[in-house]
Amino acid sequence: EVQLVESGGGLVQPGRSLKLSCAASGFTFSNYYMAWVRQAPKKGLEWVATISTSGSRTYYPDSVKGRFTISRDNAKSSLYLQMNSLKSEDTATYYCARVDGTTDYWGQGVMVTVSS
Amino acid sequence: DIQMTQSPASLSASLGETISIECRASEDIYSNLAWYQQKSGKSPQLLIYAANRLQDGVPSRFSGSGSGTQYSLKISGMQPEDEGDYFCLQGSKFPPTFGGGTKLELK
Repeated sequence: EVQLVESGGGLVQPGRSLKLSCAASGFTFSNYYMAWVRQAPKKGLEWVATISTSGSRTYYPDSVKGRFTISRDNAKSSLYLQMNSLKSEDTATYYCARVDGTTDYWGQGVMVTVSS
Repeated sequence: DIQMTQSPASLSASLGETISIECRASEDIYSNLAWYQQKSGKSPQLLIYAANRLQDGVPSRFSGSGSGTQYSLKISGMQPEDEGDYFCLQGSKFPPTFGGGTKLELK
């Protein structure tokens, strides 16, 4: 059974940093692109980052480019999202997702609140 | 970025009723479209991919259709467990973009 479990969320002040983790199991992690997607409270979904199987290629939308960094450790079947210079508009539930053509499995999500 | 316009924003259906949800893309997305169901407090579940391919384990009352810029999700016979939020996702061009969502309730 595919499982994706996020951790590392919480309350953080504007301008500070936070690192999210996602532990994957139930599939060969190194064979899949992975992604982070976020959902602001009562709002729609926004794609945050994608990483290739080896980690050599990463993709970000303009809204987070230069502030967020996606990475992975295939030996640990883990995905990460380093978030710097956080803004109030980054407040959201962050989902880790497996990419197989489209995002076919999502984690349960972790809440990040950016507030002073 | 490709804009995905989803309609309606909310929908109330009776048990057994057939309903449709639409997504319109701002440009041709070549059937690179997926549909998801999200129940309250849960993560999204993939229903349909490549516009009309049913994900394993998804009931056959769900179906997808469309091409070019116009796509739809149909539920043939509303069931109580179908209540939730539905949204589309285009993967034709980076960044992937989502429709605004449809809240489906049982009347």
